[in-house]
Amino acid sequence: GNSVTQMEGPVTLSEEAFLTINCTYTATGYPSLFWYVQYPGEGLQLLLKATKADDKGSNKGFEATYRKETTSFHLEKGSVQVSDSAVYFCALSDASGGSYIPTFGRGTSLIVHP
Amino acid sequence: GAVVSQHPSWVICKSGTSVKIECRSLDFQATTMFWYRQFPKQSLMLMATSNEGSKATYEQGVEKDKFLINHASLTLSTLTVTSAHPEDSSFYICSARLAGSYNEQFFGPGTRLTVL
Repeated sequence: GNSVTQMEGPVTLSEEAFLTINCTYTATGYPSLFWYVQYPGEGLQLLLKATKADDKGSNKGFEATYRKETTSFHLEKGSVQVSDSAVYFCALSDASGGSYIPTFGRGTSLIVHP
Repeated sequence: GAVVSQHPSWVICKSGTSVKIECRSLDFQATTMFWYRQFPKQSLMLMATSNEGSKATYEQGVEKDKFLINHASLTLSTLTVTSAHPEDSSFYICSARLAGSYNEQFFGPGTRLTVL
């Protein structure tokens, strides 16, 4: 079956530091990959996505590249801000069973200090 | 575009009562909606997949008689927690998939349920 593994948090950084949150996946087909962000007390918001190998998703300074050879989709940002403090979820979706039901990682909490 | 709303955003109820949570796609049609449950500091647990006009498909271990799901229109799905107990207290999140799109979901803001 499909699975997503994220690095455990919390990740604690100072403002303007470089961020990497690792995500690797296992899938039977050719999945689309996603990063979602959840701010405290809120639902999930799509941050970025990539639908095929070597695609790079980017949004709000965050980037992630779909690496099929390493089955990875690591999230990066060059300079984090306090407002980036949130929980980040890596996810995949493919046609397993024809349903495209997504599989989520456990989430990684990011805490950015001023 | 692609906004999903949930109502209520939070609810407190007594043990034994039933609670209904609404999930609406505001500016698009959603043939499929998903209901998730999230425990503190944990990932989302898929409870069921709701298809418009048909019965919901429940994940293993989720009681369909306790968590009633209705998807009567292309913009509305409801989750009713029947005879709620304190262990049902959780954050419930819905998502909607755009009709004709298979790879992206749009999430509601969540509903915090507290059962006393």
